[in-house]
Amino acid sequence: GDSVTQMEGPVTLSEEAFLTINCTYTATGYPSLFWYVQYPGEGLQLLLKATKADDKGSNKGFEATYRKETTSFHLEKGSVQVSDSAVYFCALSNAGGTSYGKLTFGQGTILTVHP
Amino acid sequence: DVKVTQSSRYLVKRTGEKVFLECVQDMDHENMFWYRQDPGLGLRLIYFSYDVKMKEKGDIPEGYSVSREKKERFSLILESASTNQTSMYLCASDRAYNEQFFGPGTRLTVL
Repeated sequence: GDSVTQMEGPVTLSEEAFLTINCTYTATGYPSLFWYVQYPGEGLQLLLKATKADDKGSNKGFEATYRKETTSFHLEKGSVQVSDSAVYFCALSNAGGTSYGKLTFGQGTILTVHP
Repeated sequence: DVKVTQSSRYLVKRTGEKVFLECVQDMDHENMFWYRQDPGLGLRLIYFSYDVKMKEKGDIPEGYSVSREKKERFSLILESASTNQTSMYLCASDRAYNEQFFGPGTRLTVL
């Protein structure tokens, strides 16, 4: 079945540092890929998405590129802020058949940014 | 402002009790989902519904049931709560293959 693997966490950075959170996936067909973010005490919210190979999703300074050849969707940000401290989830949705948009999530990566 | 609401933020129940978790969305979405979130495991799908009175098992349906009598409301039921069901429960909704919108979650503790 489909699966998503994220890099081990937690990740601790200083403000203005460069961020990379690795995500790789296993899926049949042509999945859509997502990054969700969960701020403390809140539910998940969509950060960015990409629906086909070589697409780049971007939002709030975060970027991720859908790489079919390496089955990856790594999240990057050039300069993190304290307010970026949250849990980040990589996910895929496989639209084949009657999947009804079900999401398969990675295990989540806790990011803490210090001033 | 679109919204998914869950009936409780925190809930404490005893082993063997019947537990109802309620979720309401105001976006007229067809699909609704129940996940549980556990550290190191991410989110795992319990059940989902693609229409009123329709339901499908997710990856971990054992010990749970669901009810969807109205389009905007999706309930998760623990028939006889057990300690291994202590978790964070998240409800979500979407319109087919689009962004899923999540509620704030219910942290359930079973003693």
